Amino acid sequence: KAGVTQTPRYLIKTRGQQVTLSCSPISGHRSVSWYQQTPGQGLQFLFEYFSETQRNKGNFPGRFSGRQFSNSRSEMNVSTLELGDSALYLCASSLMPGGNTEAFFGQGTRLTVV
Amino acid sequence: QQQVKQSPQSLIVQKGGISIINCAYENTAFDYFPWYQQFPGKGPALLIAIRPDVSEKKEGRFTISFNKSAKQFSLHIMDSQPGDSATYFCAATFTGTASKLTFGTGTRLQVTL
Repeated sequence: KAGVTQTPRYLIKTRGQQVTLSCSPISGHRSVSWYQQTPGQGLQFLFEYFSETQRNKGNFPGRFSGRQFSNSRSEMNVSTLELGDSALYLCASSLMPGGNTEAFFGQGTRLTVV
Repeated sequence: QQQVKQSPQSLIVQKGGISIINCAYENTAFDYFPWYQQFPGKGPALLIAIRPDVSEKKEGRFTISFNKSAKQFSLHIMDSQPGDSATYFCAATFTGTASKLTFGTGTRLQVTL
């Protein structure tokens, strides 16, 4: 069974640009969550999608958005990039929504904003 | 409060020793406490999880101890091996489709020969 696939693995963007990250969940999983991981803040929840609907949202500015497609694949978008957005962005998939079902993480997308 | 406090930040243990990582939480609504293991360049992977109806759960060399009254839980790695060297995150959440994992800040474990 294939795991969670995140693309691209690495990205370098300039301040002010926008970026789109992609996540393909494990087959059969309909819930996708996104997390930002930084050395200073650790793992912080961005949002969760289930059946193409955003079910939960973390405390991030509106520049961070996401969506989920009918095949459960998800994308997250960050507009007007800031230096502080440099981080590892992790996607996790699970069968059902909510934090208390086992979440399987992808390897992440390392975003560097210069 | 959604915070989960984790300590220590880093830990060095000799091979064969016991590694102990502690976490404390504030939200009494939390009822699911997983531990994740992350190797460099990889995403976190679920290691073991516990619910507050038990005080201890053991899977192989990994044990979670849970103290509901103190709102604390800990991970014990027995007979630590160099292959256990990784960053460990505790997390907490509550039952419900709108819940999310709240992570501790992580502990970098190094097991030396």
